[in-house]
Amino acid sequence: ETGVTQSPTHLIKTRGQQVTLRCSSQSGHNTVSWYQQALGQGPQFIFQYYREEENGRGNFPPRFSGLQFPNYSSELNVNALELDDSALYLCASSPAGGPSLSGNEQFFGPGTRLTVL
Amino acid sequence: AQKITQTQPGMFVQEKEAVTLDCTYDTSDPSYGLFWYKQPSSGEMIFLIYQGSYDQQNATEGRYSLNFQKARKSANLVISASQLGDSAMYFCAMRVLNSGYSTLTFGKGTMLLVSP
Repeated sequence: ETGVTQSPTHLIKTRGQQVTLRCSSQSGHNTVSWYQQALGQGPQFIFQYYREEENGRGNFPPRFSGLQFPNYSSELNVNALELDDSALYLCASSPAGGPSLSGNEQFFGPGTRLTVL
Repeated sequence: AQKITQTQPGMFVQEKEAVTLDCTYDTSDPSYGLFWYKQPSSGEMIFLIYQGSYDQQNATEGRYSLNFQKARKSANLVISASQLGDSAMYFCAMRVLNSGYSTLTFGKGTMLLVSP
């Protein structure tokens, strides 16, 4: 069983540019959540997609947008990059059948580290 | 609003000793879930253990146990017999139920260093 994968691993952009980060969900998972983790902080929820529709959003501006595709892979797009957007971006997929036997609900990818100069 | 507090920025422990990482939470919901994740320097969040608010017994997973004290709103992680590979950031998180979806809210984390 393939876990959650993210690409690219690292990315360097300049202020004002746009970036697209990608996430491939684990097989059998139909929900994906994106989190931003600034240096020295815990992850913060950006938004969540369920069956290709955004069904929840955290306190992030509209320049953060996303897509989920029929195969449940997902993209996070950030427009007009700012220096404070530098962070580790994590995606997490959730199984269609609910939590695993151990109680785990969100399976995280390795993250994309974005640096904005 | 839901909140997770981890008051220990860093903890040091010797190999083979036990260590407790503190976590307190705040929520007005009677039904909630508490999680602990390990994040090594590679960045991936690794699920360790889960405790439901209605679970009568403290959760255990191998060397990990969760000391759940509901009245005090604490959910401390206990790692027994620490290993060098346990050195990492540890995050406590709570499931937040919103209208139509659930997410995780995280604490700021505790850095654990295990020495030989």
